[in-house]
Amino acid sequence: AQTVTQSQPEMSVQEAETVTLSCTYDTSESDYYLFWYKQPPSRQMILVIRQEAYKQQNATENRFSVNFQKAAKSFSLKISDSQLGDAAMYFCAYRRGSGYSTLTFGKGTMLLVSP
Amino acid sequence: SQTIHQWPATLVQPVGSPLSLECTVEGTSNPNLYWYRQAAGRGLQLLFYSVGIGQISSEVPQNLSASRPQDRQFILSSKKLLLSDSGFYLCAWSVATGASYGYTFGSGTRLTVV
Repeated sequence: AQTVTQSQPEMSVQEAETVTLSCTYDTSESDYYLFWYKQPPSRQMILVIRQEAYKQQNATENRFSVNFQKAAKSFSLKISDSQLGDAAMYFCAYRRGSGYSTLTFGKGTMLLVSP
Repeated sequence: SQTIHQWPATLVQPVGSPLSLECTVEGTSNPNLYWYRQAAGRGLQLLFYSVGIGQISSEVPQNLSASRPQDRQFILSSKKLLLSDSGFYLCAWSVATGASYGYTFGSGTRLTVV
């Protein structure tokens, strides 16, 4: 079974600085997708960024980018120019690409942003 | 555009009482539907998923059940709630084909069993 591990229960960053959230996963599949979700205090789950395993190029969405290391099975999220609104729980998730599959989530990393 | 509605937002129920949480999706057909539970300080646990009307797959054996009476309606139920059923329940949908798409989540229901 696939597992997703987020080893940092909590991270802190100051406004305007950069922070990196770690995620590793375990799979024997070659075709899969990785996601980062944000859950602010409202608890609404918001998709932040998505990465296809077959793509070598790292995904980028404005201030959010990933470092996808397929051989190492690592998928970290970098947030640049951090803002107070970035404070939230961040979840890493995995989904197998072939056949029917569901999203498997890590336990999350709480990101605190200070002025 | 597609929207997902989940209600109620908050619920306080006594132990042993029944439960019914409802989720509906608009703007799409034949979605895959999911129920997740998020316990305090923990990640998301998949409870049920459905790929079509009347088709329910259970991931975790427990006190809960799910039904899909209509294409875009997904219901989470219990006949008798336990204290351990407390948590935050999230409904989500995804397109039927294409694992590249993530899920779109509802706003969640905070359930407290007392």
